[in-house]
Amino acid sequence: EVQLVESGGGLVQPGGSLRLSCAASGFTFSSYEMNWVRQAPGKGLEWVSYISSSGSTIYYADSVKGRFTISRDNAKNSLYLQMNSLRAEDTAVYYCARARITKDFDIWGQGTMVTVSS
Amino acid sequence: IQLTQSPSFLSASVGDRVTITCRASQGISSYLAWYQQKPGKAPKLLIYAASTLQSGVPSRFSGSGSGTEFTLTISSLQPEDFATYYCQQLNSYPHTFGGGTKVEIK
Repeated sequence: EVQLVESGGGLVQPGGSLRLSCAASGFTFSSYEMNWVRQAPGKGLEWVSYISSSGSTIYYADSVKGRFTISRDNAKNSLYLQMNSLRAEDTAVYYCARARITKDFDIWGQGTMVTVSS
Repeated sequence: IQLTQSPSFLSASVGDRVTITCRASQGISSYLAWYQQKPGKAPKLLIYAASTLQSGVPSRFSGSGSGTEFTLTISSLQPEDFATYYCQQLNSYPHTFGGGTKVEIK
C-alpha cells in the first residue's frame, strides 16, 4: 500500500525547534518530488516547501524561508522538515505530500500537529 | 500567484448541480488541481491538469478552464460530497492554494 506517515509534531515554546519526519512506503520514494503543506486550525491549506527527487532543488514559502529546512534521505525513504525559530503562527497540522510528474499532490500523509505556545 | 475561490461557502441539496470557481492572478495555462477535504482528514486529489479526473474519483466531478479562470463542477451532489474544496496552482513556486469553498447541506 502506498503510504506516507508523518511524525514529530508536538507542543513547543515560541523560539523553539522541532523536526518533522515523513516515512514513505509502497512506492519508489527516490523517484518522487515531495512537499510539506500545513493547515492552521480552522484555516485553509498553505504550501510550505518542496524538494526534488534528488534533493538538489528546494523551494520555500516566504513565511518560513530562513527558519525551516526541508531534506530527504532516499536510503531511508524519509522526508524531513527542520523547523527553527518557531512562532505562534506556525501552529498547524503539517502534511507531507507526494508530487507526480504533473506536479499535483496525489498521496498525502495523515498529518502531524505542531502547537507553538508558551 | 494568488488564487481566489468563489464562493467561499455554498449551501446545497443532494442532487443539486454545484459549480465552484477559481481565478488566478496571472495565467497558469492548465496547471491547476482540485482537492476535496473532509474534517480531520487529509486532502484528496480530485482533478489535475485543470480537467483530468483522478483515478477512482466519481464521474460526477469535472473540471474546466485554462489561463486564469477555472471551474469545478459536481453534476449531482451526493451526501459524501459535503466537504471543503481547494484549488491549487502548479505553474510556478510557491504552489499556492485557493482559500477553499465549504459545501454544506441545505
